[in-house]
Amino acid sequence: SQTIHQWPATLVQPVGSPLSLECTVEGTSNPNLYWYRQAAGRGLQLLFYSVGIGQISSEVPQNLSASRPQDRQFILSSKKLLLSDSGFYLCAWSSTANQPQHFGDGTRLSIL
Amino acid sequence: QKEVEQNSGPLSVPEGAIASLNCTYSDRGSQSFFWYRQYSGKSPELIMFIYSNGDKEDGRFTAQLNKASQYVSLLIRDSQPSDSATYLCAATGGSNYKLTFGKGTLLTVNP
Repeated sequence: SQTIHQWPATLVQPVGSPLSLECTVEGTSNPNLYWYRQAAGRGLQLLFYSVGIGQISSEVPQNLSASRPQDRQFILSSKKLLLSDSGFYLCAWSSTANQPQHFGDGTRLSIL
Repeated sequence: QKEVEQNSGPLSVPEGAIASLNCTYSDRGSQSFFWYRQYSGKSPELIMFIYSNGDKEDGRFTAQLNKASQYVSLLIRDSQPSDSATYLCAATGGSNYKLTFGKGTLLTVNP
């Protein structure tokens, strides 16, 4: 069966520091991969999605970036974090467009 | 802009009752519809998905889709306190890889 792993579970970072969140999927090949952010009391916001290695689409202009160095690995990065980057970051995968997306356990990021 | 609208609630029902959660969507091209359950502090968990008009049942859950009215609903029969969570409705369509999520409805099932 397919599983998705995200780490770390929680992270506290100072303003201006870099960020790297990693997500890996097991048990499937060539998944669609997604990064979402959920701010406190708000809905899920799609940040990036990828349909293949090296293929990244950005949904929202921001100081975050994403990379997909391997088929089942998706990384979210920032060079300098802002206070507004605080939130719950979720990685998800689906087999194809229109198929259900399945979420990892998420990373709760707090910026001080 | 594609939107998915949900009543934010809270929706409160007694244990054993039927909980009815509703959702409307603006994009007529949407083809796939999903319901997720999210417990406080946790990630969303897929409960149901539906692609065709009509009803789809899975255990205590029934998803209903009416494309003409652009309306999706989720019924939870014999509601349990463990069903207390926020329920997210989502829609996607065509070659669009994006799921558009509603903001969720908070359901509380009272023992």
